[in-house]
Order: sequence, then structure tokens, then C-alpha cells
Amino acid sequence: DAGVTQSPTHLIKTRGQHVTLRCSPISGHKSVSWYQQVLGQGPQFIFQYYEKEERGRGNFPDRFSARQFPNYSSELNVNALLLGDSALYLCASSRDSYEQYFGPGTRLTVT
Amino acid sequence: RKEVEQDPGPFNVPEGATVAFNCTYSNSASQSFFWYRQDCRKEPKLLMSVYSSGNEDGRFTAQLNRASQYISLLIRDSKLSDSATYLCVVEIPTGNQFYFGTGTSLTVIP
Repeated sequence: DAGVTQSPTHLIKTRGQHVTLRCSPISGHKSVSWYQQVLGQGPQFIFQYYEKEERGRGNFPDRFSARQFPNYSSELNVNALLLGDSALYLCASSRDSYEQYFGPGTRLTVT
Repeated sequence: RKEVEQDPGPFNVPEGATVAFNCTYSNSASQSFFWYRQDCRKEPKLLMSVYSSGNEDGRFTAQLNRASQYISLLIRDSKLSDSATYLCVVEIPTGNQFYFGTGTSLTVIP
């Protein structure tokens, strides 16, 4: 079975721009979570969606938003990018919103 | 106070050694606990869930101590391939939030 897929793999944006990251979960998984990981730190929880509804939100500003589509894929949107948004963005899927399986991530660089 | 705290290490151990990592959590309402491993510049991979009664998977044993609010991971007979960063994860039921520790770096030396 295919694992979690994310696109794009790498992305370079300028401060103030907007970015959209995409994630497709493992087939049969209905929950998707988004994390931000900066170098030397563990992933930080941004959002969790289950059955297209937001079930959890981490401590991130309103510039971060997400949604889940009927096919359970998901998008993470970040507006007004800051240099500090440079990080690896990880998507994780789970069948029941507990044991999570991660995709390879999108590495975002903001210049 | 951080929700989850881990000793970052690094732990450098010889092949065949036994090594243990601990992770403390602050929210007593936490219900679900996990260990992940992360190789350099790769995504975290689920190693094992941590059950209240403790659980074992081959050379790996995970334990939960609710009274002291910590989870542990024991690796026996360390292999070179065990070299990685080990991350603990705690689920906070309020708001369905998942908190990762900063990770503990393990290097197994030949």
C-alpha cells in the first residue's frame, strides 16, 4: 500500500507570500494531522482533521489554516510568510486519529 | 512548563548494550503515548504505542508510569541500525493535541 504522500517536496518562498502544502493519507485513513519541525526540535502540532472536521489545533497563529477534502486529502495554508516559518512541514495520517504515520514532508524555505 | 520533556542526549553506546530513554509529561489527563524514531532528514516512523501494562516488541520495551507521569523506552542488544533520534509523543485529550518531545539522539558504536 502507498504511504502518506506530500507535495511539493521542497519550496522556496519570499516573506509575505502565501503557500499551500498538500497531503494524501494512506488509503482507508480518515484522519490527517499537520506538524511543523524546525532543526533540532521535535515536530510541533498544528492541526488535526478527522472526517473533514477540525478536531485539534496547536498553538499557531491564524495565518495557518487547513482543510480536509471528501477524499480525506488535506491542504495546509500559510499566509503572510515569515522567515521563522522556514521548517519541515509533516503530514501524518491515521485510521482512528491515534497511531500516526508520517509522510516525507515538505521543506519550506522563506527568504 | 513544557508538555513533554526528554533528555536530548546524545547517548553513545557500544553494540550489544542496553539503553533506556525517559520522557516526562505534565498533563495528568494524557491518555495515549507513543515512541517514534527519526533518522537524519527523514520523517518520524512509529516505533510503538505505549500501553498502561507495558509492552514489548522484540528488543524494544515501552513502559508507562502514570503516578510519576513518565514513559520509558528500553532497547536491548543495541544494533548499529538503532542509531537515530527517538521521539516520545503524548496525546492531550483536551483539543486532541499531540505533543512531541525534542528527541533523544542515540548513536550505537561498533
